[in-house]
Amino acid sequence: EIVLTQSPGTLSLSPGDRATLSCRANESVSRSQLAWYQQKPGQAPRLLIYGASSRATGIPDRFTGSGSATDFTLTISRLEPEDFAVYHCQQYDYSPMTFGQGTRLEIK
Amino acid sequence: QITLKESGPTLVKPTQTLTLTCTFSGFSLSTSGVGVNWIRQTPGKALEWLGIIYWDDDKRYSPSLKNRLNITKDTSKNQVVLTMTNMGPVDTGTYYCAHRGIVTVFGIVIQGGWFDPWGPGTLVTVSS
Repeated sequence: EIVLTQSPGTLSLSPGDRATLSCRANESVSRSQLAWYQQKPGQAPRLLIYGASSRATGIPDRFTGSGSATDFTLTISRLEPEDFAVYHCQQYDYSPMTFGQGTRLEIK
Repeated sequence: QITLKESGPTLVKPTQTLTLTCTFSGFSLSTSGVGVNWIRQTPGKALEWLGIIYWDDDKRYSPSLKNRLNITKDTSKNQVVLTMTNMGPVDTGTYYCAHRGIVTVFGIVIQGGWFDPWGPGTLVTVSS
């Protein structure tokens, strides 16, 4: 199965900062079949990005997904207080679908 | 608006079988291309996809858990049921059901492998 490695494990930033989160696959994820989710404490994950770069309905444009093959990035251009959460990447190119271990974005 | 909600026991004993129900609204599991996934989140393995059932009753399971899982659907009740046998402490976690991702591009409906939306989840503890 495809293993996704997210880095860093924890990212400490301030509101207004730019956040860059990485997701690397041990094999090429074809057709950019990668998604990003945001998860807040006590809540289910929420879809942010699919197809590596397409924003889901209602997601602000400060969230940008990019990358291809084995290297993918989620960028949050200007952090808002509500953006501090855990972010997960997921590939759906191969079965079984797999997730990264998550990046915790915390307030510095 | 699509919504899903998981229900079932919060505590099961080791070796018992877990049965969870996902009750949904806003879509029909008889519509071509539609699918409902089960995903869990455990302290040891973060998020883990368990399986999916499609509108045509086709099913796919995680290879590592395939021998323990069964997913069924009741289209008339808008429900999907997950059963997992031989539960152990490592199976403790939050179990989610989620709709198979769908997007409409220039009027064409495209089904994808992402999950949207998710139910709120249900916490299951395995302990004697």
